Amino acid sequence: QVQLQESGPGLVKPSETLSLTCTVSGGSISSYYWSWIRQPPGKGLEWIGYIYYSGSTNYNPSLKSRVTISVDTSKNQFSLKLSSVTAADTAVYYCARVYGYYDSSGYYYANFDYWGQGTLVTVSS
Amino acid sequence: SSELTQDPAVSVALGQTVRITCQGDSLRSYYASWYQQKPGQAPVLVIYGKNNRPSGIPDRFSGSSSGNTASLTITGAQAEDEADYYCNSRDSSGNPLFGGGTKLTVL
Repeated sequence: QVQLQESGPGLVKPSETLSLTCTVSGGSISSYYWSWIRQPPGKGLEWIGYIYYSGSTNYNPSLKSRVTISVDTSKNQFSLKLSSVTAADTAVYYCARVYGYYDSSGYYYANFDYWGQGTLVTVSS
Repeated sequence: SSELTQDPAVSVALGQTVRITCQGDSLRSYYASWYQQKPGQAPVLVIYGKNNRPSGIPDRFSGSSSGNTASLTITGAQAEDEADYYCNSRDSSGNPLFGGGTKLTVL
């Protein structure tokens, strides 16, 4: 059974960089895409981006200028960096495995089949 | 438009059938998937693709789509189905989108 676990500081100061790591256990990080998703308190889900084990990435256009996702296959980990944070970045951050597939028309879908428990990151001075 | 719109709240009597909807222009071209999220927990994928259930998801959950609206139907709602439900699809660039979520109350 694949398990994901987020780790990193729970408090980040405004204008600084948020850094989180997701450790994957019970399976290899290879041959899958891996994603970060966040959820502000009391609000809905927002996709941040995903990375293939080879290192190729795709980011939410609304966050692209501030986001970097990287992968370390030797440690079975992938990481998130979000720069220049503000209070609006306060959220529970989830890492997840991407279950990707193509429909009969050739469109690709990224669903999320395994999730970490989430970690609350608060942006405050 | 690349937005997905859901009703904020829906209620259903125990054992009855409920439909949770998701509207958006992208749904005319793309499938929706659905996630269930209980308080303090991570979301769980319950429906994806045309109408596929991951292993372990009860068959009372089903998905459908018509025009710009995707629906999650729970036939015979149980107390444990009380949760927030999020639809998820993609935009024209392939980027994942989420709806705002629907809070389901089982009476």
